[in-house]
Amino acid sequence: GAVVSQHPSWVICKSGTSVKIECRSLDFQATTMFWYRQFPKQSLMLMATSNEGSKATYEQGVEKDKFLINHASLTLSTLTVTSAHPEDSSFYICSAARDRTFFGPGTRLTVL
Amino acid sequence: GEDVEQSLFLSVREGDSSVINCTYTDSSSTYLYWYKQEPGAGLQLLTYIFSNMDMKQDQRLTVLLNKKDKHLSLRIADTQTGDSAIYFCAESINTGTASKLTFGTGTRLQVTL
Repeated sequence: GAVVSQHPSWVICKSGTSVKIECRSLDFQATTMFWYRQFPKQSLMLMATSNEGSKATYEQGVEKDKFLINHASLTLSTLTVTSAHPEDSSFYICSAARDRTFFGPGTRLTVL
Repeated sequence: GEDVEQSLFLSVREGDSSVINCTYTDSSSTYLYWYKQEPGAGLQLLTYIFSNMDMKQDQRLTVLLNKKDKHLSLRIADTQTGDSAIYFCAESINTGTASKLTFGTGTRLQVTL
């Protein structure tokens, strides 16, 4: 099956710094990429939908200036958590979709 | 709006069957999915069903869909310890391909010896 990678798989940062997470579709071109956030013992919540070459569509309650999404190509989308705070600590999962949707392995972010 | 509910926890003995239930509210769902998530890992697609079907079987997995009651279930036959994980149902609308998914609350399956 298709493979979606995320980098880094985990990151620890200080409060106030920015963190960039990459999502790549390794063997197919994704028309759309999605970013989800999962808090411990909770479900996945969609943050934003990203199409290559256009602005991301954010879900209600998600701050677009805090969670910057860049969809540079059909195989790469990045999520930058700007000025991260401890409450941003979470598991961030991307998915890439073309004919089907494939999920990345997730990135665990811990903000101290 | 979209709301997908699951029971939080299920414990079964190895070798028994597991049945994980899911209810959803959006009748315009076109595809319904079951995903497995092991600790600290991403999501693994187990199976999916198109909304005009009422059953799908794939090896040890059987999906039943009652569209009238908006109820979806996943049956795992001969449950093994490796099946211990969190199981999420999810629904999508529109084409079910590049459309966004709404996930259920997740059911933690514990398999005991």
